[in-house]
Amino acid sequence: DAGVIQSPRHEVTEMGQEVTLRCKPISGHNSLFWYRQTMMRGLELLIYFNNNVPIDDSGMPEDRFSAKMPNASFSTLKIQPSEPRDSAVYFCASSLSTGQNQPQHFGDGTRLSIL
Amino acid sequence: RKEVEQDPGPFNVPEGATVAFNCTYSNSASQSFFWYRQDCRKEPKLLMSVYSSGNEDGRFTAQLNRASQYISLLIRDSKLSDSATYLCVVNVLNTGKLIFGQGTTLQVKP
Repeated sequence: DAGVIQSPRHEVTEMGQEVTLRCKPISGHNSLFWYRQTMMRGLELLIYFNNNVPIDDSGMPEDRFSAKMPNASFSTLKIQPSEPRDSAVYFCASSLSTGQNQPQHFGDGTRLSIL
Repeated sequence: RKEVEQDPGPFNVPEGATVAFNCTYSNSASQSFFWYRQDCRKEPKLLMSVYSSGNEDGRFTAQLNRASQYISLLIRDSKLSDSATYLCVVNVLNTGKLIFGQGTTLQVKP
């Protein structure tokens, strides 16, 4: 079975450019999560969706970040304009629901470098 | 104070050793608890859930102490393949929002 699919796997771009990260959750999963991981701050939740609706975006660092989930099988995380401090690994995860003890399954991540 | 705190290590142990990791959480309303494993440059993967009565999965034993807000993971008979970072994870109020600790790095040596 296909797991969570993220693209691209790696992205290197210059500051000021728009960056779009993509995620396809596991089929049948109703909850989708975007995380950012850095050495300094560890793994941080940015935003999560339940049934395509954003539930909590309190982790989104600032207005340069936006996320959408137009349908149950696709989500994007956009950074515009990008800055060097946005360099990190961005993970997408999905779960059947947000209920108790529902594990989250992570994609391989996108390694983002902003020069 | 961080919501979930772990000793970052690294823990360097020989093969066959028993090693224990601890984790504390600050929100007494926390409902669900997990240990995830993350290999270098890979995604986190669920290792095991942690139940109030404690639970075991092969060489791995997880314990929860709600009164002390403390979670532990015990690995017996360590294998080289156990080398990874172990993340303590808490779900507050069943919101679906997982709070990850910084992780404890384990290196098992031959």
